[in-house]
Amino acid sequence: DAGVIQSPRHEVTEMGQEVTLRCKPISGHNSLFWYRQTMMRGLELLIYFNNNVPIDDSGMPEDRFSAKMPNASFSTLKIQPSEPRDSAVYFCASSHLPQGAYDYGYTFGSGTRLTVV
Amino acid sequence: RKEVEQDPGPFNVPEGATVAFNCTYSNSASQSFFWYRQDCRKEPKLLMSVYSSGNEDGRFTAQLNRASQYISLLIRDSKLSDSATYLCVVNGPDNQGGKLIFGQGTELSVKP
Repeated sequence: DAGVIQSPRHEVTEMGQEVTLRCKPISGHNSLFWYRQTMMRGLELLIYFNNNVPIDDSGMPEDRFSAKMPNASFSTLKIQPSEPRDSAVYFCASSHLPQGAYDYGYTFGSGTRLTVV
Repeated sequence: RKEVEQDPGPFNVPEGATVAFNCTYSNSASQSFFWYRQDCRKEPKLLMSVYSSGNEDGRFTAQLNRASQYISLLIRDSKLSDSATYLCVVNGPDNQGGKLIFGQGTELSVKP
């Protein structure tokens, strides 16, 4: 099992540029979660999908953030335009169905470390 | 009140010590509880689930107190390799969709 795969591992971009983060969940998992982690705020849930459908995006900080899951094996998180305060580590996680998360937790990807200068 | 609260630490302990972390949660209807471990600059990884009757995995013991809405993690005979941040995790308030809420984490540093 390849685990949850995120790309890129590191991203440095200039303020105002568009940033796209990518995630491939574990095959067979049908729930996918995007988190952001900073020292000040810890792990914050941004948005999550069940069976490719967005369930709750209330954690998305602003309209500059958008996420899609066009199929069961791929999701993107886009920031446009990016700002320095978006600098953080962005994690993607997946699980089997909603109940799988409650029974077994999530598996996280290695994260994307985003720096906006 | 935060949904999940933890003492951020750091806890600095010598090798071989026993250390305990507590975590409180706000939703009395919560049913799923976990401890995750996160090493510096790495992703969180599941350490153990927490069951109502308490459970043990080697040197690690997790306890749940529903009446007081807190969860604990006990680490016996600490090793240098136990140095990490420990995250308390509880299911989200709507109990749907698989949403899990993470605490801020408690930092543990085990010294020789």
